[in-house]
Amino acid sequence: EVQLVESGGGLVQPGGSLRLSCAASGFTFSSYAMSWVRQAPGKGLEWVSAIIGSGGSTNYADSVKGRFSISRDNSKNTLYLQMNSLRAEDTAVYYCAKDRVGSGSYSDAFDIWGQGTMVTVSA
Amino acid sequence: SYELTQPPSVSVSPGQTASIICSGDKLGDKYACWYQQKPGQSPVLVIYQDTKRPSGIPERFSGSNSGNTATLTISGTQPMDEADYYCQAWDSRTAWVFGGGTKLTVL
Repeated sequence: EVQLVESGGGLVQPGGSLRLSCAASGFTFSSYAMSWVRQAPGKGLEWVSAIIGSGGSTNYADSVKGRFSISRDNSKNTLYLQMNSLRAEDTAVYYCAKDRVGSGSYSDAFDIWGQGTMVTVSA
Repeated sequence: SYELTQPPSVSVSPGQTASIICSGDKLGDKYACWYQQKPGQSPVLVIYQDTKRPSGIPERFSGSNSGNTATLTISGTQPMDEADYYCQAWDSRTAWVFGGGTKLTVL
């Protein structure tokens, strides 16, 4: 069964840091681009960051550029999101999502989503 | 940056057809996809490459994309289809973009 399991969320003070993890199973992890998508309470989906299968290319939303860093360890089938200089507006459920098609770059949709991990930024 | 626009809400009676639109500059030149999200759950892909349904998605879900508008159509809408729906596309400058979401009410 294809599965994504996020972890690492929690309560953090403004200006603090947090690292999220996403453990993948049931597919050849290194062949697929992966993304982080967040959803603030009561709001819509916001794409945060993406990384291709090899890890050689990354993309970020303007709202997190320079503060967040996406990475992956293909030997551990795990995706990461390092979040620094956190702000109240970063409070959200963070989902990891798998690209639909395995290729050298990004495909056309996300076919598998994790259950999400909640990040709360508050003093 | 690239933007996708959706109506905040759409209402439909059970058994009728619901149409949810997603607008973006030259969206028809890109692939659009759609997700369904029910309260407390993760999003589920219901349409990809404008018109294709993933395995397990009912045939009543269909999609189209032309010009500046992509449309998700639900034929014979059922109460279980009540959910939030999001369109998504890839833009070469902005990367992945989501629409703001549409709340579908079946009443």
